[in-house]
Amino acid sequence: EVQLLESGGGLVQPGGSLRLSCAASGFSFSSYAMAWVRQAPGKGLEWVSVITNSGDSTTSADSLKGRFAISRDNSNNMLFLQMNNLRPEDTAVYYCAKDQPTQMYPYDSGSFDYWGQGTLVTVSS
Amino acid sequence: EIVMTQSPATLSVSSGERATLSCRASQSVSSKLAWYQQKPGHPPRLLIYGASTRATGLPARFSGSGSGTEFTLTISSLQSEDFAVYYCQQYSDWPKTFGQGTKVEIK
Repeated sequence: EVQLLESGGGLVQPGGSLRLSCAASGFSFSSYAMAWVRQAPGKGLEWVSVITNSGDSTTSADSLKGRFAISRDNSNNMLFLQMNNLRPEDTAVYYCAKDQPTQMYPYDSGSFDYWGQGTLVTVSS
Repeated sequence: EIVMTQSPATLSVSSGERATLSCRASQSVSSKLAWYQQKPGHPPRLLIYGASTRATGLPARFSGSGSGTEFTLTISSLQSEDFAVYYCQQYSDWPKTFGQGTKVEIK
């Protein structure tokens, strides 16, 4: 059974930093790209960042570049999101999501077939 | 960035009735379109990918259609557990943008 468990959320002051983690199990973690998606309170879904299966390439939303960094540890089946210089508008539930590629070889990223339960990040003074 | 526009914002439907949700892309995404269902306090759940392929275990009352820029999610006979918010997402290009969602509520 695929499981994704986020942690690391909480209350942080504007300008502060936070590191989110996502523990994955039940699938071959190193074979799939992984992503972070966020949802502000009462709002829709916003794609944040993605990392390739090997970790050699990342892409982030233009609005977040320079502040957020995605990374992974394939040895321990972990996904991370380092968030710096946080702003009140970053307040959201952050989900990690497993990529479902349209094809494996060569890898072509697709939809998100499994999601974690999310971790709430609140940026407020 | 590809903009995804869903309509209507809210759909009021009675149990047992048919629900039709629309999603439009600002440029062609071919068939690289997914639909998700989200209930309050829960993460999104993948329903449809490739515009029309049902995710594993999804009841047959859910169907997706369309290609290019116009897509539809149809729920043939709404059950109580189907009242939720539905999002479309394109994965043709980065960033993988979502629509703003359609809330399906009980009439």
